[in-house]
Amino acid sequence: AIQLTQSPSSLSASVGDRVTITCRASQGISSALAWYQHKPGKAPKLLIYDASSLQSGVPSRFSGSGSGTDFTLTISSLQPEDFATYYCQQFSNYPITFGQGTRLDIK
Amino acid sequence: QLQLQESGPGLVKPSETLSLTCAVSGGSISSRSYYWGWFRQPPGKGLEWIASIYYSGSTYYNPSLESRVTISVDTSKKYFSLKLTSVTASDTAFYYCATSLRGCSATTSCLTWIDPWGQGILVTVSS
Repeated sequence: AIQLTQSPSSLSASVGDRVTITCRASQGISSALAWYQHKPGKAPKLLIYDASSLQSGVPSRFSGSGSGTDFTLTISSLQPEDFATYYCQQFSNYPITFGQGTRLDIK
Repeated sequence: QLQLQESGPGLVKPSETLSLTCAVSGGSISSRSYYWGWFRQPPGKGLEWIASIYYSGSTYYNPSLESRVTISVDTSKKYFSLKLTSVTASDTAFYYCATSLRGCSATTSCLTWIDPWGQGILVTVSS
């Protein structure tokens, strides 16, 4: 199975900060990567698909980049509602797998 | 727009079978565009894919759970189901049903990104 390693595992930041989360795949996955936001008690929310395509309705402060084995999720200016856990997911090969998550807390 | 809702018991005894159902509304479960799947998240841990099914009955299973899992779809009743046998405390988790757009390309599996998700249901395995 393809392993996805996210860094950092946790992050403290302030409203207005620019934040970058990294996801590294154990083998090349082209652009077959998605990013999700997950808040406690709620369904995960799709943010980015195909590594860099913004899901409809998601604010433009979210962006994704990368291909092959290295990917990033960037939030250009943190808003209060952005504090959550973020996951990457690959859909290049079976089984589809997720990163371990990055918890984003308020500083 | 598609909406999914999980249902089933919140408490299952060890060694018994966990059974969950996902009702689909706002779209057709017989659509050729989607795979229907189950995912879970143990408390304090990350997300894990369990299994997915196409309207035709074609299935994909996570090898780590395949020996204990059955996924099925009832297109006439607009729902799909999960059965997980011989459960233990390690199967305690939030279980989500969700949809993935059908891929099946040179660079992707047939399962792609996951959207939308159901709200999730907590299933506790305990005597």
